[in-house]
Formats: sequence, structure tokens, C-alpha cells
Amino acid sequence: TQLLEQSPQFLSIQEGENLTVYCNSSSVFSSLQWYRQEPGEGPVLLVTVVTGGEVKKLKRLTFQFGDARKDSSLHITAAQPGDTGLYLCAGEWLQGAQKLVFGQGTRLTINP
Amino acid sequence: SAVISQKPSRDICQRGTSLTIQCQVDSQVTMMFWYRQQPGQSLTLIATANQGSEATYESGFVIDKFPISRPNLTFSTLTVSNMSPEDSSIYLCSETKEGYYGYTFGSGTRLTVV
Repeated sequence: TQLLEQSPQFLSIQEGENLTVYCNSSSVFSSLQWYRQEPGEGPVLLVTVVTGGEVKKLKRLTFQFGDARKDSSLHITAAQPGDTGLYLCAGEWLQGAQKLVFGQGTRLTINP
Repeated sequence: SAVISQKPSRDICQRGTSLTIQCQVDSQVTMMFWYRQQPGQSLTLIATANQGSEATYESGFVIDKFPISRPNLTFSTLTVSNMSPEDSSIYLCSETKEGYYGYTFGSGTRLTVV
């Protein structure tokens, strides 16, 4: 059973379009993190959201944490071919045994 | 953020043998972790590497198969024991500091068992 359900798992769109990736769970997290991974490399942190309802913007990327701290979304505006990659959401628990668990990932392809 | 050096970057091993992967962080960290990633898929947490004590393993992973050491704050090893082709995967180490909400990952070790 996947603790974090990420959708869609694959997405191929044209340059200039907008897209949203969703990350849902029945668990409450201390933080929700988004990573991007390139082939042959480890995941690189994009953003961490901590407070329920929090919204963070990183240029054309907008990240939102649900009010109940169980879900999150990543919205990309005017997607560019350079946005192509594997996007991973991850939930962190800080109480008890601290750890980070990942969703299934979204493989995003932006076509020129 | 910390820089993680992980080696080897890749290896091809015979079934039944063992491989030890090393992870070195350039600064003292609080937490170190080991993950497995099947090609094209997401990361699965194997265990938390605890300094000076036994690692904490996630469900489905056992110490006899994946012994982990962490002799100090900046270094950890993961051994994949008695390998089978099903162990072919990418293994990554990760670190974070207490109170800091981001994790840094090594580049991974791509293991192929033949």
C-alpha cells in the first residue's frame, strides 16, 4: 500500500501549457517536500511546505500544502522543455522516528 | 547544504556475492538514510543509519540482507548481501540535519546482479 499517492504518474504536454501534479495521503505529515530528479543523479529539493494551507512560489512553480497537512500540489505555468524530469513528492515525519517517504513520482515530458 | 559522496557509482556483481556501498558527507549531520530505487520508479526507504547503534529498518528490509554501519556522524555504509538479480537497483544515501526540513541525496549506486 502506497502511503503517498501521486498523480499522474506520467504526463506529456506541449510547451507553454499549464499542469498540476497531486500528492495525496491519509496521513498527516510534519512537512511535505517536492524533489526533482535527473537521470543518474539523486533527487534535488525544490521546496518544503510546513504549514497547513501554505503556498510557495518558485518562479513558474507553485506549491500548495493542504489545510489538513495530508496533501499537496505542484502547479507549473507555461511549461518549458527544461521542466522535463521526474518530480517526487515526499512526506516527512518529525515526531518519533524522523523519516521521509516518497510518492510514486510523476515523469513529466514537455514537448517543444 | 551538505555534499554527499557515494561510491561506487555503479557495479556489476555475481549472484551470491556482497557489495558494500559507502556514503561520505562533507559536514556533520544528524540523520542518515538509505533508499532503494528501481529504474524509472520512486524511492523506497530501506533504513535509518544510527550512529553507534543498530540501524532502524523499514518493513520488508532486514539486517541480515542489508547490514548498515555508521561509525561517526559523517560516514555510513550499506552492504547488499548474498545478492540475487532481484537486488538490481539504484541505492541512494541521504542526510538531513535536525530542524532543517530538506534532505540531500547522493548520486546513487547503480547495481546490476548477474
